[in-house]
Amino acid sequence: DTGVSQNPRHKITKRGQNVTFRCDPISEHNRLYWYRQTLGQGPEFLTYFQNEAQLEKSRLLSDRFSAERPKGSFSTLEIQRTEQGDSAMYLCASTPRGATDTQYFGPGTRLTVL
Amino acid sequence: AQSVAQPEDQVNVAEGNPLTVKCTYSVSGNPYLFWYVQYPNRGLQFLLKYITGDNLVKGSYGFEAEFNKSQTSFHLKKPSALVSDSALYFCAVRDGGFGNEKLTFGTGTRLTIIP
Repeated sequence: DTGVSQNPRHKITKRGQNVTFRCDPISEHNRLYWYRQTLGQGPEFLTYFQNEAQLEKSRLLSDRFSAERPKGSFSTLEIQRTEQGDSAMYLCASTPRGATDTQYFGPGTRLTVL
Repeated sequence: AQSVAQPEDQVNVAEGNPLTVKCTYSVSGNPYLFWYVQYPNRGLQFLLKYITGDNLVKGSYGFEAEFNKSQTSFHLKKPSALVSDSALYFCAVRDGGFGNEKLTFGTGTRLTIIP
């Protein structure tokens, strides 16, 4: 049984560039979540999908951020015109159904914006 | 609104001694409570959760947590600490209201087990 996978694991980019991260959830998990974790803080919720529908977005998700899950399987998170403040660990999680289920997290993508 | 407080940034415990990592929460509805552990450069690993039922919840690696509704607490405990328990621990809460899916995490407690 494979867990949640995320690629790339590390990304270094220059300010102003666009970056895209991918998350592959556990098979048959229909809910997928994105979180952001900065140094010394707990993860903060960004957005979540039920199948291909994006059902909630945090105010943290500015208009430079966009997330998709086109076929209800893997998801991508794109950041346009990156800023130094975007440097963080981006975590993806999935659950089978929802509210009472455990969210299982991937290893994360660490973004460094120079 | 939902929130979590982990009042201790750092907890040091001698190997073999019992350990406690504290967590208090605030929600308007029924609380769903979780503990996760994070090792360096790794994602979060699930330890245990409280949804309903018995207030004492047992989880992975010998950890347990007690839900206390009157004190709005969900402290993580282990009877005998191991050096390998050294890691960053996060408490998280979700308000059990319909349609609420997001977890709110505390700022984490770094647990160090001293040999």
